[in-house]
Amino acid sequence: DVVMTQTPVSLSLAIGQPASISCKSSQSLLGTSGKTFLNWILQRPGQSPKRLIYQVSKLYSEVPDRFSGSGSETEFTLKISRVEAEDLGVYYCWQGTHFPYTFGAGTKLELK
Amino acid sequence: QVQLQQSGAELAKPGSSVKISCKASGYTFTSYYISWIKQTTGQGLEYIGYINTGSGGTNYNEKFKGKATLTVDKSSSTAFMQLSSLTPDDSAVYYCARLIGRGTHDYWGQGVMVTVSS
Repeated sequence: DVVMTQTPVSLSLAIGQPASISCKSSQSLLGTSGKTFLNWILQRPGQSPKRLIYQVSKLYSEVPDRFSGSGSETEFTLKISRVEAEDLGVYYCWQGTHFPYTFGAGTKLELK
Repeated sequence: QVQLQQSGAELAKPGSSVKISCKASGYTFTSYYISWIKQTTGQGLEYIGYINTGSGGTNYNEKFKGKATLTVDKSSSTAFMQLSSLTPDDSAVYYCARLIGRGTHDYWGQGVMVTVSS
């Protein structure tokens, strides 16, 4: 199975600060279709996961543009340009290129 | 609006089975596959498998073969997952999610907590 490694494990940031989360995969996530199925989701405390980004950098319509995703092959990054209170929770990357799909262990964003 | 409404929490004894449901609304049920995902504090998020809601075809993570059985009832737009021969290691929150295209979930259910205890 593809191993997804996220760093850091946790982030403590003040409102307005930028955030960056790294996600590395044990195999290239570039599929035979030419697409890379790397996703980011956010799980707020006590809630189910919510969609953020798909195919590395595509934001779902309701996601604020302070979020961005980048990367290729085996290295990916989620950035938040300016953290807001509603951004706290656990961020997970997960890959849908190779079956079984696999998830990172998560990065907990806390507010300082 | 798209919604995936899951059934309520389950308390089960070791060795027994549970069947949890995921009722879809707000879209054509058979147009999208449904995935199932397990979440525990220790193991994090684990992908169980998906079901083709139109044909009933399934694809399981090897780890969950023999543990999970995925089915659908098209008449009620509901997906089901049965977990058998339960052990304490099966205690977890189980989510269903809509699988769009390939390898992307756009909507998640609220989760079902399954507790296995004697």
